[in-house]
Amino acid sequence: GAGVSQSPSNKVTEKGKDVELRCDPISGHTALYWYRQRLGQGLEFLIYFQGNSAPDKSGLPSDRFSAERTGESVSTLTIQRTQQEDSAVYLCASSPRPSGIGETQYFGPGTRLLVL
Amino acid sequence: AQKITQTQPGMFVQEKEAVTLDCTYDTSDPSYGLFWYKQPSSGEMIFLIYQGSYDQQNATEGRYSLNFQKARKSANLVISASQLGDSAMYFCAMRDRKKTALIFGKGTTLSVSS
Repeated sequence: GAGVSQSPSNKVTEKGKDVELRCDPISGHTALYWYRQRLGQGLEFLIYFQGNSAPDKSGLPSDRFSAERTGESVSTLTIQRTQQEDSAVYLCASSPRPSGIGETQYFGPGTRLLVL
Repeated sequence: AQKITQTQPGMFVQEKEAVTLDCTYDTSDPSYGLFWYKQPSSGEMIFLIYQGSYDQQNATEGRYSLNFQKARKSANLVISASQLGDSAMYFCAMRDRKKTALIFGKGTTLSVSS
């Protein structure tokens, strides 16, 4: 079907507010990833979901960050009490099966978050 | 520790020329995969090419080829016959059996001029 979609595409918020970012993976894709990309930098892994297994949260930078995914569908990344250093593009990716070494990840367009 | 290094912050090339974007990697796992992604100014990440550590031949996809030198731990991307639409940021990434997520380099900005 369609590619990975993310919403909102842009979000401006004030320091201290909570934000929710949404990712719709490609239909049928069991693996879902969240990454963060700071300006001019590469992507940093945040969290990984695979089917109904416990997520790999090892990349979450602080306890202000959390994410949920119901089954193999939509995922939501929540940032509580946002800080200016949270300003970045948040990218979501999905892949079709339990990830092997060569499994390609397909990325969404990202959400550009600006914390004032 | 797993690491990807891209030492060229920016590269400039003229249309129709070939260009090589450098990537070196580090992992202790003999089984790993290397990926290249393109990120235009629109921000999406576009998968270009993949090379597995046990693949005998260098990967090719159209105008893209991967110059894989295992002993040197390098996986350079070669773009032949550059086009204006190739102007973008290019990321090298790796996955091994220790980590499902991709490890990315900092990227190289390619500018193609007419």
